[in-house]
Amino acid sequence: KAGVTQTPRYLIKTRGQQVTLSCSPISGHRSVSWYQQTPGQGLQFLFEYFSETQRNKGNFPGRFSGRQFSNSRSEMNVSTLELGDSALYLCASSLAWGARSGNTIYFGEGSWLTVV
Amino acid sequence: AQSVTQLGSHVSVSEGALVLLRCNYSSSVPPYLFWYVQYPNQGLQLLLKYTTGATLVKGINGFEAEFKKSETSFHLTKPSAHMSDAAEYFCAVTPFGGGNEKLTFGTGTRLTIIP
Repeated sequence: KAGVTQTPRYLIKTRGQQVTLSCSPISGHRSVSWYQQTPGQGLQFLFEYFSETQRNKGNFPGRFSGRQFSNSRSEMNVSTLELGDSALYLCASSLAWGARSGNTIYFGEGSWLTVV
Repeated sequence: AQSVTQLGSHVSVSEGALVLLRCNYSSSVPPYLFWYVQYPNQGLQLLLKYTTGATLVKGINGFEAEFKKSETSFHLTKPSAHMSDAAEYFCAVTPFGGGNEKLTFGTGTRLTIIP
């Protein structure tokens, strides 16, 4: 069974531009979460989608947004990129959303974003 | 809100020696606990998780962790370290009984294996 797939794996953007990252969850999983990972801040939760609805949101500015499609695939967008947005962006999928019954989330390999 | 603390951002052990990575949680009610591993340039992979039942949990790659309520701990161990264990390890928590809470991660422990 295929795992969580993220595209692109690597990208370089210029400050002020915007970027869209894509995530395909494990087949049958309806929840998709996004995390930002940086050396200084560690793993930080961005948001979670389930059945095309945002169910949970972390403490990130409005420049960070996401959406989920009817096939459970998800995209996240970052507008007006700043140097500090350089990070590994991880997508994760799970059957349920939130913390129900020790819900396990499975991660993709991430998208490395460098802002110059 | 729950949180986890990982003691030691870097741990070095010799090949063949015991691996012990520490994780303590902060929660009024015993939560669900997870250990993930991240190899260089990769995403996170689930090693093991504790929900309810047996407090000694066995995971992949020979790792295991023991939930100790009295010590609010969930330390990760492996009897004999292998070079391939070199990676970063994250402890994570969600509250017992579910709810809308997200998975909260510790700051990670980088494990180095000395040949």
